[in-house]
Amino acid sequence: KQEVTQIPAALSVPEGENLVLNCSFTDSAIYNLQWFRQDPGKGLTSLLLIQSSQREQTSGRLNASLDKSSGRSTLYIAASQPGDSATYLCAVKAGTALIFGKGTTLSVSS
Amino acid sequence: NAGVTQTPKFRVLKTGQSMTLLCAQDMNHEYMYWYRQDPGMGLRLIHYSVGEGTTAKGEVPDGYNVSRLKKQNFLLGLESAAPSQTSVYFCASSYSGRLSTEAFFGQGTRLTVV
Repeated sequence: KQEVTQIPAALSVPEGENLVLNCSFTDSAIYNLQWFRQDPGKGLTSLLLIQSSQREQTSGRLNASLDKSSGRSTLYIAASQPGDSATYLCAVKAGTALIFGKGTTLSVSS
Repeated sequence: NAGVTQTPKFRVLKTGQSMTLLCAQDMNHEYMYWYRQDPGMGLRLIHYSVGEGTTAKGEVPDGYNVSRLKKQNFLLGLESAAPSQTSVYFCASSYSGRLSTEAFFGQGTRLTVV
């Protein structure tokens, strides 16, 4: 059974820091991996989608990498801002639906 | 540019009452999903549909029923609500469950069962 783990569960950093969020999964047979952002009381916003054949994807200050063989993905956030404060969710598609990690709650202080 | 729309956004039910949550997507997606999100548990799949007229069970289907009579709509029903069904419910859709396509989520329905 596919399991997705995100470490750390919570992270606090000062504004301007570069940071890395980690995601690991137990079965490397995935179709893709998707990173989402969730603000308190809100829905999920898709940030980046990495196909199983890709190594990384970039969008603005965000860069996501995928190492399928080791079952790991990282989300790199450059020059963090208070507006980046949110919960970040990682999800893998290994069959019909997405399987989620429990998320990393990020707090960026000014 | 609606995307995935959930109705209602909030609801309070008494134990034993029934209700239906509606999910509508305007992206012509084949696949639709219902998840629930609980503190400490993450998002868990309740039911999903791979096309009009089809439904299948996910990880936590007990106490819920679903229907997909039209391609754009996916309904989640609670026949007899229980306090354990207090949760935030999310609907999602994608072009295909097997291909590497992006999933889009609705804004959620916050349900409280008292």
